[in-house]
Formats: sequence, C-alpha cells, structure tokens
Amino acid sequence: AQSVAQPEDQVNVAEGNPLTVKCTYSVSGNPYLFWYVQYPNRGLQFLLKYITGDNLVKGSYGFEAEFNKSQTSFHLKKPSALVSDSALYFCAVRDMGGNEKLTFGTGTRLTIIP
Amino acid sequence: DAGVIQSPRHEVTEMGQEVTLRCKPISGHNSLFWYRQTMMRGLELLIYFNNNVPIDDSGMPEDRFSAKMPNASFSTLKIQPSEPRDSAVYFCASSPAGGNYNEQFFGPGTRLTVL
Repeated sequence: AQSVAQPEDQVNVAEGNPLTVKCTYSVSGNPYLFWYVQYPNRGLQFLLKYITGDNLVKGSYGFEAEFNKSQTSFHLKKPSALVSDSALYFCAVRDMGGNEKLTFGTGTRLTIIP
Repeated sequence: DAGVIQSPRHEVTEMGQEVTLRCKPISGHNSLFWYRQTMMRGLELLIYFNNNVPIDDSGMPEDRFSAKMPNASFSTLKIQPSEPRDSAVYFCASSPAGGNYNEQFFGPGTRLTVL
C-alpha cells in the first residue's frame, strides 16, 4: 500500500522568508511524487513532480522540492515567500510499479504573512 | 484548451434524490479520475478509467455510487439515493497517455449539498 504524510496542518511564514512544506511517503517500490496547490474554490493545480534523476526538482511559481530516498521525504520549498503563495498544498505519491492511482496527503495550509 | 469541464458547479438536493455529476476531460487524455474532497476525509479517489474502462473502483463508497464513461469525452458520477453524508466537493481529473508518471489535470469541482 502507498501512503503520504503531511505532518503540519498549518504553516505560517513571513513574506520574503523561505518556506518549507513537509511530506513523507511510503511505497513498496520506487515512488513517483507530486505536489499540487489548491486555491479557494478551485481544483488542484500541478506544481512539480519527481520521477527519476536529479533529486532537486524545480516547478511552477518558483517552487522546488527535494527527493530524499533515505528519509522517504519530498519537502516543498521556496526561497522567498509571496503573499500569493497562500493556499492549500497537497503531496501525492504513486508506486512506480502500480497503476495510475495517486494517494494524496491531508494537505497543509500555507499562510504567508505580509 | 478549455481544461477539464465539470457540471454543475453547485448542486443542492434533498436526501433521497438522484444526483448526476458530469465531466468532460481534456481532449486526448486517456485516463479519467473521480475524487471526493471533504474536511473530515480529505481527498479520496473514488474511481478511475483508462481508455473508457474502469480500472480501480475500490474507493467507491457503496452501491449508491456509480460511474460511467460511455466515450472518451464524457463521464458521469451518479448517486442514487443521495444522503446528507454525501455532501462534498467532487473533482474530476484527466491525464494524458504515454506512461504512468503523467500529472493529473483537475476540473473546478462540483460542490454537492444534500439536505
């Protein structure tokens, strides 16, 4: 079975500061990992993904994520937060050997304080 | 590209009524997913189709829920009879062919309220 944990329900960061949203995963094989963002009353929007290769993945809106196999983590980061980054963030995992089913975390609400 | 289209955007109905949610995936996408989002349970996959064939329906809550994909450009999720605990936002997503690592593109969702 595959699972994702987002240990923080809420993260508050001052505008201009670096931000990190944490994610750990569990799969039986090698993982495909994704980050999505959800703005109020909208569907989920793809940010970035890790499939293979370089452990540091760059995505939309200046976000990046680092895959760490030994710690089974895929934390989302941004060097300098913007107020417009305030949203709900979801980490998701798929087992490389499995079907297309994505398992999502419970989400982390990121609030950027002006 | 218009993206994934869902209708209606909002639905309010009374307990016991039949509800039908509709989805048009992005043209050329071969996989279609139905999700439900609630505060209590988060985002749950209900069912997904590949090339119009249901592949995994293990997330469908019970027999009151059914989903169809009669062709590549249309899918429905039906609840009959509806219950207040079905109140949630239902999302449809689609994904292109060509591998297992493609991201899913989500529609705007249908907010269902069952009174």
